[in-house]
Amino acid sequence: DAGVTQSPTHLIKTRGQHVTLRCSPISGHKSVSWYQQVLGQGPQFIFQYYEKEERGRGNFPDRFSARQFPNYSSELNVNALLLGDSALYLCASSLTPDTYNEQFFGPGTRLTVL
Amino acid sequence: RKEVEQDPGPFNVPEGATVAFNCTYSNSASQSFFWYRQDCRKEPKLLMSVYSSGNEDGRFTAQLNRASQYISLLIRDSKLSDSATYLCVVTPEGYKLSFGAGTTVTVRA
Repeated sequence: DAGVTQSPTHLIKTRGQHVTLRCSPISGHKSVSWYQQVLGQGPQFIFQYYEKEERGRGNFPDRFSARQFPNYSSELNVNALLLGDSALYLCASSLTPDTYNEQFFGPGTRLTVL
Repeated sequence: RKEVEQDPGPFNVPEGATVAFNCTYSNSASQSFFWYRQDCRKEPKLLMSVYSSGNEDGRFTAQLNRASQYISLLIRDSKLSDSATYLCVVTPEGYKLSFGAGTTVTVRA
């Protein structure tokens, strides 16, 4: 069975640009969460979506937005990129949003902002 | 104050040694606790959940102390393949995972 997939794997953008990152959850998983991992830090929670509804949002500016599609895949959008947005963006899927369901992480998208 | 704090290490140990490290968390309402493992430039993977009674999975033992709000991980008989960053994770708000910055362990031959 395929795990969580993310695209692209790497991305280079310049300040002020916009970026869209994509995630496909494990088949049957209806919950998708997004995390940002800056070098040397642990992942930081950005969003959680379940059944196409936003269930939670972390402490990130409005430049960050996301959505979930009917097939449970998800997109993370970041506008007006800053140098500090350079990070590994991780997507995690689980059966439901409840934390007793293991969250499985994808390989991540490595974003570099120049 | 950070939600989860960990000793960053690195812990550099020989094969066969025992290594142990802790993390502390700030939100007493946290309900679920985990240790994740992250290899260099890879995604985190669940190592084990942590239960109030303590639990063991092979060479790995996790303990939870709710009163003092700390979680520990002990690795016995360390293998080269145990070299990784270990992330302490709690759930202060139910649906989200809050990660520590990680403890780096290097096992040398």
